Amino acid sequence: GNSVTQMEGPVTLSEEAFLTINCTYTATGYPSLFWYVQYPGEGLQLLLKATKADDKGSNKGFEATYRKETTSFHLEKGSVQVSDSAVYFCALSPGGGNKLTFGTGTQLKVEL
Amino acid sequence: GAVVSQHPSWVICKSGTSVKIECRSLDFQATTMFWYRQFPKQSLMLMATSNEGSKATYEQGVEKDKFLINHASLTLSTLTVTSAHPEDSSFYICSAGTGGTDTQYFGPGTRLTVL
Repeated sequence: GNSVTQMEGPVTLSEEAFLTINCTYTATGYPSLFWYVQYPGEGLQLLLKATKADDKGSNKGFEATYRKETTSFHLEKGSVQVSDSAVYFCALSPGGGNKLTFGTGTQLKVEL
Repeated sequence: GAVVSQHPSWVICKSGTSVKIECRSLDFQATTMFWYRQFPKQSLMLMATSNEGSKATYEQGVEKDKFLINHASLTLSTLTVTSAHPEDSSFYICSAGTGGTDTQYFGPGTRLTVL
């Protein structure tokens, strides 16, 4: 079956630090890959997505590249801000489908 | 655009009662809606998928008679937790998708506490 594994948190960084949250997946076929963000007290929001190998999704300074050879979709940001503090979820949906499988989420805390 | 609302945002009920949670797509038609359950500091667990006008498809291990899902229109789906017990206390989240795309739009969630 499909599964998503992401690094455990919480991750605590200083403002302007570089961020990497690792995500690897197991899936048959060619899934689409997503990063969702959940700010405190809010619902999940789509942060970025990639639908095929070597695609790079990007939004709000975050980016992730679909690496089929390593089955990974690591989230990166060059300089985090306090406002980036949230829980980040990596997810996949099978090719041609829309049923999402989520990772366990990684809490990010950015301090001044 | 693509806003999904849930009502209520939180609810407290007594054990044995039933609770209905509404999920609405406000500015688009949702051909498919999904219901998730999220435990504290854990991931979202898909409970069921519903398509407008048809019966919901439940994930393995989810009791369909306990978690009743109705998707009566392209903008509304409801989840009813029947005969709720304290172990049903959780954060319930819905999402909506449109045909031809694999993107889901999530509601803000409903916190259910069963006493």
